[in-house]
Order: sequence, then C-alpha cells, then structure tokens
Amino acid sequence: AQRVTQPEKLLSVFKGAPVELKCNYSYSGSPELFWYVQYSRQRLQLLLRHISRESIKGFTADLNKGETSFHLKKPFAQEEDSAMYYCAPLWGQNFVFGPGTRLSVLP
Amino acid sequence: DADVTQTPRNRITKTGKRIMLECSQTKGHDRMYWYRQDPGLGLRLIYYSFDVKDINKGEISDGYSVSRQAQAKFSLSLESAIPNQTALYFCATSDSTGTRANVLTFGAGSRLTVL
Repeated sequence: AQRVTQPEKLLSVFKGAPVELKCNYSYSGSPELFWYVQYSRQRLQLLLRHISRESIKGFTADLNKGETSFHLKKPFAQEEDSAMYYCAPLWGQNFVFGPGTRLSVLP
Repeated sequence: DADVTQTPRNRITKTGKRIMLECSQTKGHDRMYWYRQDPGLGLRLIYYSFDVKDINKGEISDGYSVSRQAQAKFSLSLESAIPNQTALYFCATSDSTGTRANVLTFGAGSRLTVL
C-alpha cells in the first residue's frame, strides 16, 4: 500500500524563522503531489500542487524523486501560517493523506 | 457562493443506531468523496464516486455504505454505529477536467460521536 509519512506531529518556530515541513512517500510510480492546509476554524484547502510550480503564501515545495520527498518550505514564517498541514500524493485517481504536521509560529 | 455542505455538523448517537451523513455541492463537480479524520492518522478514504452510477470502496469502507442520489448529493450511512466510528467526517468534491482537475474542495466536516 502507498504510504505517506510526515515525521513531525508538531513543529514550532519563531516568527521570521525559516520553516520546513517534511513529507516522504513510498515509491510506486509517479504520483502528483499536493499540500493541503487547514487554518483554525477554516476548511481544508489546497495550498499548492507540484505541477503548478506556484509559490502560494510564500511556500514552495521541492520534489526529490530520488528520496521520494516533497518537503514544504518557507524562508520567513508568519504567525498566520500557524495551521495543520497535510502532504497528499495523488496515486492514480485517489489521494493518500499523510498524518499531518501542526505548525505553530510563535511571536 | 459555490460550496460543499455537510449535514449534520455534529451528531451524538448510541451504539447500534443507524446514522446518515449528507453532503451536497453546488460546484458542479462530478467526483465526490467521503473521508474520515482521526488524530494522528490524517484523512482516510471511505468511499468515492466519480459519477452518479459509479461507487467505489476506499481504504476503510467496512461498516459504511454510500448513496449517490444525484450529481450534487452523496450520502454516507453507518448501518449500525459502533464507538470506534467516532471521528470527524469530511465530504470532498473534485472536477475530473479543467485547470483545477483533481483539486479537492472540502466540506466543513461532520463530527460524529458514538456512545
């Protein structure tokens, strides 16, 4: 079965510090890769997808096929980035969600 | 505003009761999904439907059933609820074509507690 790991359940950083949320997936073909985010009292929503190569809210994600990783990065974290982040590869027709990382950006 | 609506938002029930969670959407998407969220496990797929006549089991379909009554409606049923079905349930939709193909749009969630 496809597996997705996000090794940090909770990640705390200070405002202005760089942040990296890790995501590793088990190898099987070439999934399309997504990050979804859930802010407090809001719905789960798309943050970014690999094929778009966009930078959303300052976040980027680099696909490393050799390491089967898709880590999410932002050079300067903001307090409004505090949220739950889910890595979600799309294999075939369906997503497999990682367990999530809660990012807390401290003032 | 086009949206994904789930009802009820919260439900407390007893073991053995039949429960239905409903999902409707005004986004015009052809695909609909039911996920379950448990702490530390992320979202797990229960059932999905790619059009009205298409129903597919997901990773954790045991104990659940679904009905796609129309393109806009997708209901999840627990025929005989048990306590380990206590969870937050999300409905999601996506389009199979276009620039936002495969991007999930989520409902607000339905919190179910089985006593």
